[in-house]
Amino acid sequence: NAGVTQTPKFQVLKTGQSMTLQCAQDMNHEYMSWYRQDPGMGLRLIHYSVGAGITDQGEVPNGYNVSRSTTEDFPLRLLSAAPSQTSVYFCASSAEVGTGANVLTFGAGSRLTVL
Amino acid sequence: GQNIDQPTEMTATEGAIVQINCTYQTSGFNGLFWYQQHAGEAPTFLSYNVLDGLEEKGRFSSFLSRSKGYSYLLLKELQMKDSASYLCAVIESNYQLIWGAGTKLIIKP
Repeated sequence: NAGVTQTPKFQVLKTGQSMTLQCAQDMNHEYMSWYRQDPGMGLRLIHYSVGAGITDQGEVPNGYNVSRSTTEDFPLRLLSAAPSQTSVYFCASSAEVGTGANVLTFGAGSRLTVL
Repeated sequence: GQNIDQPTEMTATEGAIVQINCTYQTSGFNGLFWYQQHAGEAPTFLSYNVLDGLEEKGRFSSFLSRSKGYSYLLLKELQMKDSASYLCAVIESNYQLIWGAGTKLIIKP
């Protein structure tokens, strides 16, 4: 099993450009999520999904869109990149929804720099 | 408000024992996770506590006191490969995770 696969690993954008971070999992997990990680701060939830066709906003959703057309894929779109979106992005999934023991499996991360 | 506090950085010696503390104030509680994150890599699951007490898993143990809003991760027989950041995360009543900023653990020979 590949687990959670994120692409690209590194990306440099100019302010105002758009791009999509890809995330795919092959574990048939219902729950998928996107986090950003910034120095000195905890992981912050951007968007999440509890199943195909269902998405919801997390703590910091502004400037990002998501969709969940299949169980496997959960892309994150940056609509108009801003320097404040420079960060490391992690996609994570878990088998269970709405229970305590939602152990997350993380992708390897995508390091995004916006100039 | 929601808050999770962990020390920013700790240093320990190879072969020794280190305790990393985590205190939290959150909207409800459905459990607490510890994750390990090596530099430049993804977080990986270490432990889950939902009841008070100590959970032991090899060299790593995790303790929870719900009444005190407190947890610690205990690492024994430290190895150089234990150099990493350790993330504490609490599951709130709505089953969302709130993450601490992480504790960077430096192991010296």
